[in-house]
Amino acid sequence: QQQVKQSPQSLIVQKGGISIINCAYENTAFDYFPWYQQFPGKGPALLIAIRPDVSEKKEGRFTISFNKSAKQFSLHIMDSQPGDSATYFCAANTNQGGKLIFGQGTELSVKP
Amino acid sequence: GAVVSQHPSWVICKSGTSVKIECRSLDFQATTMFWYRQFPKQSLMLMATSNEGSKATYEQGVEKDKFLINHASLTLSTLTVTSAHPEDSSFYICSAFSGRAGYEQYFGPGTRLTVT
Repeated sequence: QQQVKQSPQSLIVQKGGISIINCAYENTAFDYFPWYQQFPGKGPALLIAIRPDVSEKKEGRFTISFNKSAKQFSLHIMDSQPGDSATYFCAANTNQGGKLIFGQGTELSVKP
Repeated sequence: GAVVSQHPSWVICKSGTSVKIECRSLDFQATTMFWYRQFPKQSLMLMATSNEGSKATYEQGVEKDKFLINHASLTLSTLTVTSAHPEDSSFYICSAFSGRAGYEQYFGPGTRLTVT
């Protein structure tokens, strides 16, 4: 119930392509869904986040698509660049100040 | 933006010694701080949640006598790994919740602990 399942585990995309990472959850009490980017040896950094009252949120090249009925959400990275090569984590939580439940992570490699 | 720092960024210690890691929120007061550990190519695993002035809440399976957490002020939380062993070698990351920006939590840069 508390799990967030993330796929794929790894992803290789050509420069300029679209990277898509998917997450699914079971707990309908989750009401905050962030995506984090992590480079090797660094802490995660918030990329973009969404609440379940909207179906899509876009910030620059990054878009979250949210499907409440299917309990799924995804990250789309448009015009992927080699500098986007990192590990991406989806997460969810149920209340402000509450603990985040993380997905398993996706290692993205963007080839030049 | 909100900044969280950790010190040290990396530490090597001998088996049996104790190591203290500091987590500071530099420009905001953190009502809640979280401690995670991360093994190579794995996700973040929450160890404990700490609120200023109260005892930390540990996740199931985390030894509270081994991983001592003190949240002494609204800007500082410390994690002490007591009697460290090689299996404690990991990447330790803290995050802080300010309450100012909705649900957002801010992560520190992490501390690499190697126990020899």
